[in-house]
Amino acid sequence: GENVEQHPSTLSVQEGDSAVIKCTYSDSASNYFPWYKQELGKGPQLIIDIRSNVGEKKDQRIAVTLNKTAKHFSLHITETQPEDSAVYFCAATDSNYQLIWGAGTKLIIKP
Amino acid sequence: DSGVTQTPKHLITATGQRVTLRCSPRSGDLSVYWYQQSLDQGLQFLIQYYNGEERAKGNILERFSAQQFPDLHSELNLSSLELGDSALYFCASSVKAGANVLTFGAGSRLTVL
Repeated sequence: GENVEQHPSTLSVQEGDSAVIKCTYSDSASNYFPWYKQELGKGPQLIIDIRSNVGEKKDQRIAVTLNKTAKHFSLHITETQPEDSAVYFCAATDSNYQLIWGAGTKLIIKP
Repeated sequence: DSGVTQTPKHLITATGQRVTLRCSPRSGDLSVYWYQQSLDQGLQFLIQYYNGEERAKGNILERFSAQQFPDLHSELNLSSLELGDSALYFCASSVKAGANVLTFGAGSRLTVL
């Protein structure tokens, strides 16, 4: 079945720098790849998603790239700000079109 | 406010007890998902309902059960509680049955003493 690996588990960057979180998946039939942000004490919230017919998608300081051949996708955050500090989860669909989740990345923005 | 309502927000109980967690999905959403998140852990999918019917089952223990009612609210029942069941339990809802945008509630924090 589908397996999603997410790296790194913790990422610390200086405010203003860029952050990149990477996920790999195993099922070549996966066709939907969302990213969720979970702030302390809250439920996860969708921040960006991409479908398999698109290679890149941007929304202001956030972008997601997808490499179907290599079966990996990445979240890019530019000009990081203190409010970007959170846990980020990636996910990919399995053959039943259910989401399989990565283990999460704790992003720390240093002032 | 995400539109997904979970009650109670916090619950403290003893081992061996039974609790019920409740979720009201966002207006218009037919699908409800339950997730468990232990301390500093990822999201463990438990079960999904769509329009009153069970659609998918994840790593849900036999001591746990759930249902979705005709008004689309859902309840997660946890019985014979153990210390290891202490966790955040999230409910999420979506419009469709398949993977699409999930809207999460704020969670119910269960502490088993």
